[in-house]
This record gives sequence, C-alpha cells and structure tokens, in this order.
Amino acid sequence: ETGVTQSPTHLIKTRGQQVTLRCSSQSGHNTVSWYQQALGQGPQFIFQYYREEENGRGNFPPRFSGLQFPNYSSELNVNALELDDSALYLCASSSLTGTGEYFGPGTRLTVL
Amino acid sequence: DAKTTQPNSMESNEEEPVHLPCNHSTISGTDYIHWYRQLPSQGPEYVIHGLTSNVNNRMASLAIAEDRKSSTLILHRATLRDAAVYYCILSAPSNYGGSQGNLIFGKGTKLSVKP
Repeated sequence: ETGVTQSPTHLIKTRGQQVTLRCSSQSGHNTVSWYQQALGQGPQFIFQYYREEENGRGNFPPRFSGLQFPNYSSELNVNALELDDSALYLCASSSLTGTGEYFGPGTRLTVL
Repeated sequence: DAKTTQPNSMESNEEEPVHLPCNHSTISGTDYIHWYRQLPSQGPEYVIHGLTSNVNNRMASLAIAEDRKSSTLILHRATLRDAAVYYCILSAPSNYGGSQGNLIFGKGTKLSVKP
C-alpha cells in the first residue's frame, strides 16, 4: 500500500509568482484535501476534492485553486503569491465511506 | 464550526501513562471526535476517533464523557517517539457514511516525553 506523496518537498518563489503543488493519494482513496500550516499553527483547511469536483472550501481566496484527476491525484495552484503564503502545504487523502485522513509529508513553500 | 479546547503543553515521563484532555462543550449530536498527532517535520497522523463509546486501538484509547462535552486521549505507556503535537478535532459525518474531511485544527497540545 502506497501512502500519500507530495512534490516538491521544498519550493522558493517570489511575490506575485504562481505555484503548483502536487499530491498522489493513498491507494483506494477517492477524496483529497489540502491544508495550509503556518509556522507554530495547526493546519488550516483550504478545500477538498471528490470525483474531480470541489466538495467544500475553507476561508481562502479564489487565487487558491485545485484540480483532482481521474486517478485521484491532485494539484494545488496558488496565483499572485503573497509573503503570507509562506507555509507548509499538506495534502490528505481519505475515503468518504471511511474515517480518518491520511496526510502526506507536505511541501514547504517560501515566498520572498 | 464546533471548537475544542486543549492545554498548550504537557509533560510525561517515558513508560508512564499520559492523559491528554480535550473540552468540546458545543459538540453536536452527530460530530465525531478525532485525534491526530504531528511529529516534528511530518504531516499529521490519525490516532483514533469515536462517537459515543470509548474506543481502543493499537496506538491509544479514547475515553468520551457521557455528555460528550469532553474526551481524553490515553497513551498507556509513553515513549520518546510519542513526543508530538496532539490535536483534538470534531468532524461532522459525510453524506456517504464516513467522517467528513474539512478538519478544523486548533493549536493542539505539545507533549514532551522525558527519558
């Protein structure tokens, strides 16, 4: 059984740029969620995808967008990067008929 | 969203039991109680969850108060590898029978384990 994987592990961008982060779900999971974790804080829910459609969204602006692909992998896109977007971005996969989310190791994004 | 209250930090000695408390006085009748932990430099890890009855698994036990307004995560014998931030989270059930994603994390309890 393969766990949740994310790429890249680290990324440095400058303000105003765009970034794409990638996630591969755990085998058998059809739902993926993205979270943002600032230093010293708990993760904050960005959105969830199920069957390639957004299935819930947290308090994040539209410049945060996502995609889920037929193989259940996912992308998180952030446009017009701001300094406050610097954080650990976590992907979690789950099954809507199960319980518990399985998190990847995260992508550390630094915006300069 | 229902909220939880946890102590900021706790300390334990290795090989002793640890009781991590969580208050959730605004819990609704259908909310599940989840516990996750986050080891340094890793993503959160599912520990245990419950609805009304106490639950046990290989990692921990979850004791839920009769009125469901509080719960306690119990690590029976703390090890150095249990040092982590522990999050208590309420989660509404999904329309598909499982627990919904959209986990609302607080700041959690940072557990330190002394050898």
